[in-house]
Amino acid sequence: RKEVEQDPGPFNVPEGATVAFNCTYSNSASQSFFWYRQDCRKEPKLLMSVYSSGNEDGRFTAQLNRASQYISLLIRDSKLSDSATYLCVVRLPTDKLIFGTGTRLQVFP
Amino acid sequence: GAVVSQHPSWVICKSGTSVKIECRSLDFQATTMFWYRQFPKQSLMLMATSNEGSKATYEQGVEKDKFLINHASLTLSTLTVTSAHPEDSSFYICSARESGAFRYGYTFGSGTRLTVV
Repeated sequence: RKEVEQDPGPFNVPEGATVAFNCTYSNSASQSFFWYRQDCRKEPKLLMSVYSSGNEDGRFTAQLNRASQYISLLIRDSKLSDSATYLCVVRLPTDKLIFGTGTRLQVFP
Repeated sequence: GAVVSQHPSWVICKSGTSVKIECRSLDFQATTMFWYRQFPKQSLMLMATSNEGSKATYEQGVEKDKFLINHASLTLSTLTVTSAHPEDSSFYICSARESGAFRYGYTFGSGTRLTVV
């Protein structure tokens, strides 16, 4: 079983749509959780950290369920510029980051 | 915000030669830096953890004699791919986190695309 699992997609959605990504992780000792965005042939960039209480940043909402070891990302009112691969990332107690394989999002006009 | 500079951004080298990649934290000190490799359509895989002033810690399956890591200062880590082969062609990315900033994620360098011919 992969340490961090994501649906690879692609998710093809029209502009303005709401789209949700899910992620599960296997190590219950994981300490911090993040969503990163990676554009084609570029480095990952931090989108947002994820907290148990849930957190929102503009059109993006992230949620963490520690009991289920489940992380989600919701994007509302999708823009063309949201097209990218979204990486679910967990930090282990050893300070290592474990990356999911990413979910590819394509927003079309 | 924190900035990590990585050079070169791309390199083409002949089989059997060595390539050095630099990773610098520009506005913060990083006692620990991480080196990743990403093959096409795959996730980032951690290769090694670079610790300032001590030996790097390599992940299972990563040859330490082939991927030499030096972390001589709090702002610079280098990865040298020795005797490169075509199968080493990949996207290499470093990352660092400002000490104590656990909740702010890690900052990545812009990556180095290595092509071995």
